[in-house]
Amino acid sequence: QVQVVESGGGLAKPGGSLRLSCAASGFTFRDYYMSWIRQAPGKGLEWVSSISFSGSTIYYADSVKGRFTISRDNARNSLFLQMNSLRAEDTAVYYCARDLRPNYATYEFGYWGQGTLVTVSS
Amino acid sequence: QSALTQPPSASGSPGQSVTISCTGTSSDVGGYNYVSWYQQYPGKAPKLIIYEVTKRPSGVPDRFSGSKSGNTASLTVSGLQAEDEADYYCSSYAGSNNLFGGGTKLTVL
Repeated sequence: QVQVVESGGGLAKPGGSLRLSCAASGFTFRDYYMSWIRQAPGKGLEWVSSISFSGSTIYYADSVKGRFTISRDNARNSLFLQMNSLRAEDTAVYYCARDLRPNYATYEFGYWGQGTLVTVSS
Repeated sequence: QSALTQPPSASGSPGQSVTISCTGTSSDVGGYNYVSWYQQYPGKAPKLIIYEVTKRPSGVPDRFSGSKSGNTASLTVSGLQAEDEADYYCSSYAGSNNLFGGGTKLTVL
């Protein structure tokens, strides 16, 4: 069955860095757009970034542009999010999500991981 | 990249119908038929319940339905059940990015 499992969350200081990973299984990873979505404590969902099948097309939310970098390794069925210059407002649960259908990009997230908590605090 | 607008709360009694609205612009909701809805229970990951405005993934009860008129999409939950009490989020493709609504807490009275 389809599974996406996030890891790498934890505590970071303001201005610090963290690298999130998402391990995918149960589907042909290279055929799907992948995304990161976050949810601050007690708040709503916020789209963070998406990456195309091969990684050639990447989009970011304005709130993270220039600080976060999304990437993927199709040979290892893995998605990554490098987070630099972290701010308190980046504190959130970060979800890895897969598009619903293969070979198509509609940003309709059919599968989600359980999330990994990132806390930015001094 | 402004969020889509949802009412913060909605409620209904068991068996009744409730509709949650999601308002965007012609650059997102009104411009594409890629509006989706998600159900989220406390402490859990969101679950896709509607995609492409009106379609339901396999396993989602037909009590959940979606529609769109202009820049506003809607989710209707018919025959409310206690288990429908959750947070609901709309989402729309917006070209080079994606937008979520602020979320609606649905209470079953």
